[in-house]
This record gives sequence, structure tokens and C-alpha cells, in this order.
Amino acid sequence: DTEVTQTPKHLVMGMTNKKSLKCEQHMGHRAMYWYKQKAKKPPELMFVYSYEKLSINESVPSRFSPECPNSSLLNLHLHALQPEDSALYLCASSQGGRAERETQYFGPGTRLLVL
Amino acid sequence: AQSVTQLDSQVPVFEEAPVELRCNYSSSVSVYLFWYVQYPNQGLQLLLKYLSGSTLVESINGFEAEFNKSQTSFHLRKPSVHISDTAEYFCAVSETGGFKTIFGAGTRLFVKA
Repeated sequence: DTEVTQTPKHLVMGMTNKKSLKCEQHMGHRAMYWYKQKAKKPPELMFVYSYEKLSINESVPSRFSPECPNSSLLNLHLHALQPEDSALYLCASSQGGRAERETQYFGPGTRLLVL
Repeated sequence: AQSVTQLDSQVPVFEEAPVELRCNYSSSVSVYLFWYVQYPNQGLQLLLKYLSGSTLVESINGFEAEFNKSQTSFHLRKPSVHISDTAEYFCAVSETGGFKTIFGAGTRLFVKA
């Protein structure tokens, strides 16, 4: 199974709402990533978890809060977002040994619209 | 810090014609290079990667890329494209010892019948 699943597929939220994005993989990977992708742009790294510990935070605003409850799950908690946060949020995973050499397996993304 | 430049934002090409998507990188240390493809409304999928060894790497669906250290390039080629190859292609680079993969701006390949 080489699949990374993400839920929900689409999400519309107001600026005062709290919501969460969920990502799951069952490949035994120990590195998991959150990316943000705006239309017609490349993915931009937000967070990296390695062995369930946060290893990279790319200076992401605190209204985005990642969580890695176990090695298969990655959540992104959203609170008080702005309209400019509307984007496709991609989750990825890799084996977690030497991450720079590894293939990242991406989920289909959650398309987020903030009103 | 590493960076990657994809020289063409869009490449229109007729079906069965050859295509080259260009990618140049910049880094002060050893790098690993990747090409990912993104079909509409989907996540990214690895097409091929260069880690070490032979500078020519191939994918299972007919694409190939050549690592050229002197020209700091990793161009993607296919001798004959299909309609189904229409997608966004991202070149990416990571550095030895780093956790971060940097993606280029992407090239939209549009294959016409």
C-alpha cells in the first residue's frame, strides 16, 4: 500500500472557525510533511515531522498547528485563518532515514477556502 | 541554500513529438534531484530521481533525465509524448544532510492531438 490519504477533500471555513485536516499513511514511514500549494505555484514546505517529533517549522504562523499523534497520522489544526490561507494543503510521507534522498509520497490534498 | 529554476512555465507540444523540460539548480554542496508530476486535482507523484551513479535516469513510462554537474542541470526528456502526459511537472532539489526539498515553479506540459 503506497497510499497517503487526506480528509476532507474540500473544506470551507470562516475566519473565526476551528477545523482540522487529517493525513494518514500505512507504509511504515517515519517522516511526514505538510505543504501549502497556491494555484499555479509549487508546493511550499510548512512542517516536517521525523519519528513523531517536529523537526522543521518553516516560520509558519501560529494559526496553523501541526500534530503527530502516532507514526501513521498527521493532523493540521486551523484557527482564525485569513482568506490568503486559501490553498491546496498537501501531506506527504517518506521512509525517514535519510530524508533528502527519499521519495516523498503525496496525498491528493485538501482544498481549503477561507471566507 | 539550494534553489531550482524551471526555465519554461508552459510547453505545448503535439502528440508523438519529443519534449524537453528544462531544470537548473544551484547549490554549494552535493545534491539529490527529483522530477515529480502532478495531474489535475491530484497530489504529486515521483517520476524519477538522481541520487548517485549513472547520470542518466529513466522512469517506467518513457521519461528520462540527465544529471549534468558542470551545467548544474537536470533536464527531463521524452522522445514521444502522449495526450495522457498532460500535467504539471516539478523539478526538485535537496541537499546532503538536509530535510528540505525545494521545488521549482513547475512546467505545464500540454500535449495536443
